[in-house]
Amino acid sequence: GDSVTQMEGPVTLSEEAFLTINCTYTATGYPSLFWYVQYPGEGLQLLLKATKADDKGSNKGFEATYRKETTSFHLEKGSVQVSDSAVYFCALSDSEIFHSGGYQKVTFGTGTKLQVIP
Amino acid sequence: GAVVSQHPSWVICKSGTSVKIECRSLDFQATTMFWYRQFPKQSLMLMATSNEGSKATYEQGVEKDKFLINHASLTLSTLTVTSAHPEDSSFYICSAKDRGLFEQYFGPGTRLTVT
Repeated sequence: GDSVTQMEGPVTLSEEAFLTINCTYTATGYPSLFWYVQYPGEGLQLLLKATKADDKGSNKGFEATYRKETTSFHLEKGSVQVSDSAVYFCALSDSEIFHSGGYQKVTFGTGTKLQVIP
Repeated sequence: GAVVSQHPSWVICKSGTSVKIECRSLDFQATTMFWYRQFPKQSLMLMATSNEGSKATYEQGVEKDKFLINHASLTLSTLTVTSAHPEDSSFYICSAKDRGLFEQYFGPGTRLTVT
């Protein structure tokens, strides 16, 4: 079945440092890929997504590129801020079902906690 | 953006009792709601999917008689853990989506501890 593997945390960085959170996936078809973020005490929020190979998702300074050849979707940010401290989840969804608008199942990674210190 | 709330945010109950968790969409119609379970340092595991007015579809391995899901309105779904045992202690998260839209909006989660 589908699965997502992401690096274990916690990741601790100083403010303005470069961030990379690795994510690789296993899927039978051509999934859509996502990064969700969960700030303390809040629900998960969609951070960015990519629906086909070589697409780059970006939002709030974060980027991730859908790499089909390496089955990866690594999250990067050039200069992190204290406000970026949160748990980040990589996820995938069956692309075919997604586009049809029907029932879609999202498979999540285990989450990576990021702590940014001033 | 769309907001989903859960109540309670945490609950402690005794083994053998039942506990109900509510999930509400506050500013949109949730035609589909999802219930997830998260163990420490593990990913969110989908338990079931429910469409408003229909019976929930449970994932393989999830006991439908133990985890009762009701989605009676477009803004409310409930998860009832019946005859709870300590192994049911976990973090339960709901999400909701509107028909025709992809994005799921997640609630903040409910921490259940069974003693």
